[in-house]
Amino acid sequence: GEDVEQSLFLSVREGDSSVINCTYTDSSSTYLYWYKQEPGAGLQLLTYIFSNMDMKQDQRLTVLLNKKDKHLSLRIADTQTGDSAIYFCAETPSGGSYIPTFGRGTSLIVHP
Amino acid sequence: DTGVSQDPRHKITKRGQNVTFRCDPISEHNRLYWYRQTLGQGPEFLTYFQNEAQLEKSRLLSDRFSAERPKGSFSTLEIQRTEQGDSAMYLCASSTLVGQGANTGELFFGEGSRLTVL
Repeated sequence: GEDVEQSLFLSVREGDSSVINCTYTDSSSTYLYWYKQEPGAGLQLLTYIFSNMDMKQDQRLTVLLNKKDKHLSLRIADTQTGDSAIYFCAETPSGGSYIPTFGRGTSLIVHP
Repeated sequence: DTGVSQDPRHKITKRGQNVTFRCDPISEHNRLYWYRQTLGQGPEFLTYFQNEAQLEKSRLLSDRFSAERPKGSFSTLEIQRTEQGDSAMYLCASSTLVGQGANTGELFFGEGSRLTVL
């Protein structure tokens, strides 16, 4: 079955880069996602990467995918206090239902 | 705003009572998902619908849990004979079919319905 693992907490200083890591077990994953959840709000897609890509950059966000090691990372450049939230890694297997499996989430705390 | 809406946002009930949550998805979305989220955990998949068909329900936590989407629009999630362990946030999400147009498989989530069982 699918399993997605993330570290639970990350604390950074404002202006620094943040790197949130995720490992997954399903080698047939087609899509890999990063969702953001702010307090009292629903999850919102931040970015995604297809499994045939190694890297994706979107403004301050860089996603790196190492398929061999089944490792996904999200780098946030110039982290701001507004980036404080819980970040969830998710993967969707190929071949049918495309139901995302989520990790436990990494709580990012940005200090001024 | 025509995002996913859930009702009620918060429900407090006594053990043994039945509760029902409603989800209104984004209108053009075929798929509707229910997830459960407990403190410190990620969303845990429960069930999903494609239009009015419930295509996966083996992950519903027990036979006390049931979901419907009678006309392929809104959905309800019912929990019968609630237990304290049912206390959680129940999330609804919707999406278009993967592979349809430029769909990336993104789920659009509501803000959740928080259940507290006393």
